[in-house]
Amino acid sequence: GENVGLHLPTLSVQEGDNSIINCAYSNSASDYFIWYKQESGKGPQFIIDIRSNMDKRQGQRVTVLLNKTVKHLSLQIAATQPGDSAVYFCAEKRGYSTLTFGKGTMLLVSP
Amino acid sequence: KAGVTQTPRYLIKTRGQQVTLSCSPISGHRSVSWYQQTPGQGLQFLFEYFSETQRNKGNFPGRFSGRQFSNSRSEMNVSTLELGDSALYLCASSLEGDGNTIYFGEGSWLTVV
Repeated sequence: GENVGLHLPTLSVQEGDNSIINCAYSNSASDYFIWYKQESGKGPQFIIDIRSNMDKRQGQRVTVLLNKTVKHLSLQIAATQPGDSAVYFCAEKRGYSTLTFGKGTMLLVSP
Repeated sequence: KAGVTQTPRYLIKTRGQQVTLSCSPISGHRSVSWYQQTPGQGLQFLFEYFSETQRNKGNFPGRFSGRQFSNSRSEMNVSTLELGDSALYLCASSLEGDGNTIYFGEGSWLTVV
């Protein structure tokens, strides 16, 4: 597949481990923060989002934490599986449907 | 329910030509936005349309344009192509009132030679 995430920070984990992917954002006015997963050759896939007035939200095997004091967002993936290998992007939404994306982190899961 | 559909998936154009990319949003979605993805710049917002009106525009030259039709389908056009326009062009759609859930298509890979 095509590589759209060259020279990205990479997180390597073993299958079954928990993964934590971090993201720093810039704009305090953002009303939503969203995590996307992008596999090689595919478009970004929505994982989970969090409203700016929340500090934690849980989904299936994923948890997003928001620390507005230090403008930091994290995605925790429990019991990471090889199928979780992909590039993960955080995105800020400000008004309407405009997203500002972070640079992305490549997650590599070894069996 | 079908996802966001983009055509064509792959195309090669020559410098100076123009290109039109098409996007069909998820049924019922009225907001369509476009993004450019390159290894160097990452994902960058191009523009967003709602009810045939451009609501927001990113920082791209006027060679990049778009439109939305009454059935919410959208097209984007790049004129006078440059080598640097080679990228993955992504379309995303969302419901009005549910703007936080934004779904992407698989993208159109454009190579300019």
